[in-house]
Parts: sequence; C-alpha cells; structure tokens
Amino acid sequence: KAGVTQTPRYLIKTRGQQVTLSCSPISGHRSVSWYQQTPGQGLQFLFEYFSETQRNKGNFPGRFSGRQFSNSRSEMNVSTLELGDSALYLCASQEGQANSPLHFGNGTRLTVT
Amino acid sequence: GEDVEQSLFLSVREGDSSVINCTYTDSSSTYLYWYKQEPGAGLQLLTYIFSNMDMKQDQRLTVLLNKKDKHLSLRIADTQTGDSAIYFCAVLDYKLSFGAGTTVTVRA
Repeated sequence: KAGVTQTPRYLIKTRGQQVTLSCSPISGHRSVSWYQQTPGQGLQFLFEYFSETQRNKGNFPGRFSGRQFSNSRSEMNVSTLELGDSALYLCASQEGQANSPLHFGNGTRLTVT
Repeated sequence: GEDVEQSLFLSVREGDSSVINCTYTDSSSTYLYWYKQEPGAGLQLLTYIFSNMDMKQDQRLTVLLNKKDKHLSLRIADTQTGDSAIYFCAVLDYKLSFGAGTTVTVRA
C-alpha cells in the first residue's frame, strides 16, 4: 500500500496570506489527523477528522481549519499567516479504531516571511 | 494534558545497544508508541505496545513498559549508523502526546 502523501513538500508564503495543505491517507484509512512541529513547541495536535467530521480539536486559533472529503483525503487551511506559523505540518492516517497506530507522511514545510 | 518526558541526547558507539527512556503522566493511555524521524522526513512508526503488556520485541527493537512507574524504554540492539535520528515517545488517548525527542548519534 502507498503511504501517507502530503503535498506540497515545501511552501513559502508572506505574512497575511493564506495557505492550503493536502493529505492523502493510506488506502482504507478513514481518520486523518494534523500535527504541527516546531523547534520551540515540538509536536502539537491540530485536529482529527473521521468520516468527513471533525472528531477532535487541539488548542489552536480559528485561523487553522481543516476538512475531509468523502474519499478520506484531507486539507488543512491557515488564514492570515503569521511568522510563528512557520513549521513542519504533519498529517497522520489511522484505520479508524481509536487505538490503531497513526502513520505519518513526510510533511509540508511551511515558511512564512 | 498528558506530559511526556524524554532525555534529549544519546551518543552510542556502533555495534553497542542504545536505550532511550521516556516517562509519562496519564495512566489511562492504552497504547504507547515509538517514532523515528530522520532529517527532512516525517515520523516513521517503529513499534508500539499495549498498556497491558510489559515487553515487546521486534527484531533489533525491544520495548519495556513499567506501568507502575509510568516508564517506557526502547532498546536498539547492535546500533548502526542508520539508526542516527530523533526518536519520539508518544502516548495515545484521543490524540498523540509526544515527548521532545531524543537525538541519537551513532559514532564509529
């Protein structure tokens, strides 16, 4: 099976702009989660989607949003970008059972200038 | 929320065993995970252990879980240069809570 695919791999944006990141989960996986990785804060949970519904949400401002499509692919959007949004954004897919392992993609490296 | 603590650095000689330690606070976590991250890459799932187990072995990897002390360890036998990476301990409730990561450096 193909792994988790994230596009694009790299993005450079300017403060105030918005950005959309994409994630295709492993075939058959119905849950998609998003994490932000920064040197200062480490790995932090953004949100999780299951069957097109947000199931859980982390402690991030409303500028961060996501959605999931009927084919389980997910997108994450960040509006009004700030310098502090520069990070590696990781997507993880999971079969759907609450305790099944999460498999991560290679991430999208976002740089905000 | 869940607190997960790891030592930050480990230096090991090629061929020796590496042991990475992790402590956590939430005893209700049912699964505990080890991930590996190489430069420029995402997180690779190495292994995981269910909370009712004490030990799990998978080729060169051995995971030990002490539920009483909330202590998890990952032992890598016969450490190779390709094992140089950052290793993350993580515990799962509705989300993964990660430690800060242990940077393992393998020296010749």
